[in-house]
Amino acid sequence: DAKTTQPTSMDCAEGRAANLPCNHSTISGNEYVYWYRQIHSQGPQYIIHGLKNNETNEMASLIITEDRKSSTLILPHATLRDTAVYYCIVRVAENRDDKIIFGKGTRLHILP
Amino acid sequence: GAVVSQHPSWVICKSGTSVKIECRSLDFQATTMFWYRQFPKQSLMLMATSNEGSKATYEQGVEKDKFLINHASLTLSTLTVTSAHPEDSSFYICSAETGGAGNEQFFGPGTRLTVL
Repeated sequence: DAKTTQPTSMDCAEGRAANLPCNHSTISGNEYVYWYRQIHSQGPQYIIHGLKNNETNEMASLIITEDRKSSTLILPHATLRDTAVYYCIVRVAENRDDKIIFGKGTRLHILP
Repeated sequence: GAVVSQHPSWVICKSGTSVKIECRSLDFQATTMFWYRQFPKQSLMLMATSNEGSKATYEQGVEKDKFLINHASLTLSTLTVTSAHPEDSSFYICSAETGGAGNEQFFGPGTRLTVL
């Protein structure tokens, strides 16, 4: 079973920041938080990952709470192309063969 | 990021035939690849873990004789759906591990299988 819980769906106005929450209260000390997204009829796309510090890249920012039991993915200026299902996943990064178990994710609708 | 390709992108076949789907890591070597299946409006379900040079590890409930996996090289894994039936119609997605410090997984674009 997936180790994370996410809201089923969210709406965000185009141009605004999209904040997607994720709960992972049973996360282990060596598990990273990963975010992927899947645009309709495509394979999942890697977005960002982190262990305990906040992370930022060209796509998004990842904010992880101090107790690491939850995190938020931030898309700073959402566009219509960001409409997708967003998956929050926890896994041990350095372990080879550590399979990714997908939960149901959050379906993000960007509204024009 | 690393690129993973799948071929074909879509296939239509008759019931009872077998279909082979290829997954390639284009710019890196992947000792481990994963195969997923996704039904409409559902999440991805892991089917099996494919290791180069050894037998694949199947998830519970996935028939290994029906879904044959071969990982003959560090850049290619194949999934063969044998004696396909309409209930096998689905979106099949592979992923490959880059290894190294980050050990990220990158996903292919998926193959849509329709069995008539």
